[in-house]
Amino acid sequence: DAGITQSPRHKVTETGTPVTLRCHQTENHRYMYWYRQDPGHGLRLIHYSYGVKDTDKGEVSDGYSVSRSKTEDFLLTLESATSSQTSVYFCAISGGAGDTQYFGPGTRLTVL
Amino acid sequence: AQRVTQPEKLLSVFKGAPVELKCNYSYSGSPELFWYVQYSRQRLQLLLRHISRESIKGFTADLNKGETSFHLKKPFAQEEDSAMYYCALKGSGNTGKLIFGQGTTLQVKP
Repeated sequence: DAGITQSPRHKVTETGTPVTLRCHQTENHRYMYWYRQDPGHGLRLIHYSYGVKDTDKGEVSDGYSVSRSKTEDFLLTLESATSSQTSVYFCAISGGAGDTQYFGPGTRLTVL
Repeated sequence: AQRVTQPEKLLSVFKGAPVELKCNYSYSGSPELFWYVQYSRQRLQLLLRHISRESIKGFTADLNKGETSFHLKKPFAQEEDSAMYYCALKGSGNTGKLIFGQGTTLQVKP
């Protein structure tokens, strides 16, 4: 597996609380992505980063923000969690826009 | 619109039977397509990338631009092939983002 870890791996939280998920890579890859996985929808892109402090929105970015202050870490924040954000979140990395994406192990988030 | 469609949610076959997982796409220009596999509660792993034209674990996929399809095939299914399979399309622009289909669960029965 590419050197990608995600933390926490599981989290249960309550509606209205802030939540931060972390993606950490040891590959020095430039591109990092956050996807959410939901039955019937496959994976959908939330946000991505193409370098330190360079981020942009994906197709389902509402309610989420990201930060990338160093190459190895990409943080996903749910400002005020809602039940519709219950999902499995996957981080992915790639060396360039044209390169293969490698995925992290996922974080299972439940919002009660 | 850029879209990937996997019409089957579940495909169930017996061990040794041929398998075809369907994938259709919508894209203007030359598409770049992938198949990813996810074994039970594990991370997604790249199975095939169409530009490499490799055969991995006995799976192959051919890009058919006329039919806008990228179906995944294997002549003889094995029980260890049971997994979720996602077809993905690289989006336009220089972002590298992937557009995924809904996924197909392959169940190989003994």
